[in-house]
Amino acid sequence: RKEVEQDPGPFNVPEGATVAFNCTYSNSASQSFFWYRQDCRKEPKLLMSVYSSGNEDGRFTAQLNRASQYISLLIRDSKLSDSATYLCVVMYSSASKIIFGSGTRLSIRP
Amino acid sequence: NAGVTQTPKFRVLKTGQSMTLLCAQDMNHEYMYWYRQDPGMGLRLIHYSVGEGTTAKGEVPDGYNVSRLKKQNFLLGLESAAPSQTSVYFCASGRGYQETQYFGPGTRLLVL
Repeated sequence: RKEVEQDPGPFNVPEGATVAFNCTYSNSASQSFFWYRQDCRKEPKLLMSVYSSGNEDGRFTAQLNRASQYISLLIRDSKLSDSATYLCVVMYSSASKIIFGSGTRLSIRP
Repeated sequence: NAGVTQTPKFRVLKTGQSMTLLCAQDMNHEYMYWYRQDPGMGLRLIHYSVGEGTTAKGEVPDGYNVSRLKKQNFLLGLESAAPSQTSVYFCASGRGYQETQYFGPGTRLLVL
């Protein structure tokens, strides 16, 4: 079993829809969590950090559920420009252990 | 302010050849990382550095060496390239651990 798992998708949703996807992690020692966005053939870019209390940035909401060991990303009022692959990242206490999920592909159609 | 840059953008090697990938950042970041990304897999950490003159192994260090002689540069070396090292290599930097990582545009490496 992978240490960090994501549904690869693709999620194909119409513009304006709300879409959510999860990322599960297996090691309860995980300390920090992030969502990165990666466009096709480009580098990953930070979308948002995930805080224990949950956090929101415009149309994006990230939540952490430590009891069930998953993080989630909710995108409201999706735009065509949201089409990308979303990577979850789990960090532990040591810099040698940074685990990226393999990503969830999102495609927004007009 | 260029952020993180990587050289070269694309390279083709024959098995057994060597090469060095260069990463440079102009944000005065202490932490620098080298990752590889393969289809269907997440980015995997090869080596990282927590400051000038330091390096440490990540998840998949075998077949690679690194050096951080200057704070702004992080070099990744392949001494004897193998087809299994065909991948996209990303460099990243950050102010500290568990902080935002800023990625370079990547180097696509094909080993024949």
